[in-house]
Amino acid sequence: AIQMTQSPSSLSASVGDRVTITCRASQGIRSDLGWYQQKPGKAPKLLIYAASSLQSGVSSRFSGSGSDTEFTLTISSLQPEDFATYYCLQDYFYPWTFGQGTKVEVK
Amino acid sequence: QVQLQESGPGLVKPSETLSLTCTVSGGSVSSGSYYWSWIRQPPGKGLEWIGYFSDSGRTIYNPSLKSRVSISVDTSKNQFSLVLNSVTPADTAVYYCARGDVGLGVGHWGQGTLVIVSS
Repeated sequence: AIQMTQSPSSLSASVGDRVTITCRASQGIRSDLGWYQQKPGKAPKLLIYAASSLQSGVSSRFSGSGSDTEFTLTISSLQPEDFATYYCLQDYFYPWTFGQGTKVEVK
Repeated sequence: QVQLQESGPGLVKPSETLSLTCTVSGGSVSSGSYYWSWIRQPPGKGLEWIGYFSDSGRTIYNPSLKSRVSISVDTSKNQFSLVLNSVTPADTAVYYCARGDVGLGVGHWGQGTLVIVSS
């Protein structure tokens, strides 16, 4: 199975900060990667698909980049509602695999 | 707007069978290029993809569960289901049903249902 290594596992940040989260794939997955936000007790929410395409209705402060094995999610200016856990998911090869998650906490 | 809702027992005994159903509204399980998926999350842990049923009739499972899992679709009820056999406490998790779109990620999720495996 393709391993998705997400870093960091957690980070502390302040409102207005620029935040970057990275996912590395153990083998090339083209651009078949999505980013998801999950708040406590809620289902994950799709933010970015195909590595860099913004899901409809999602704030433009979220952006994604990368291809092959290295991917990045950037939050340009962290807002109070952005404190959550973020996951990447590769859907290039079976089994689909998630990163282990990055918890974004208040500094 | 498609909506998904999981249903099923919240408590299952070890060695027994976990059965969950996902009811879809606002869309059909038999149309479109979709992946009707199950994903789970043990308490306090990360997400694990279980498998999916696609509109082409193909069913794909996570090899870590393959011998115990089955996903099926009931088009007459616009539902799809998960069956997981021989459960252990390690199968305790919130189970989500979801719809993935080809090349567009998993954009629609149910709210999730907690299943506890305990005697």
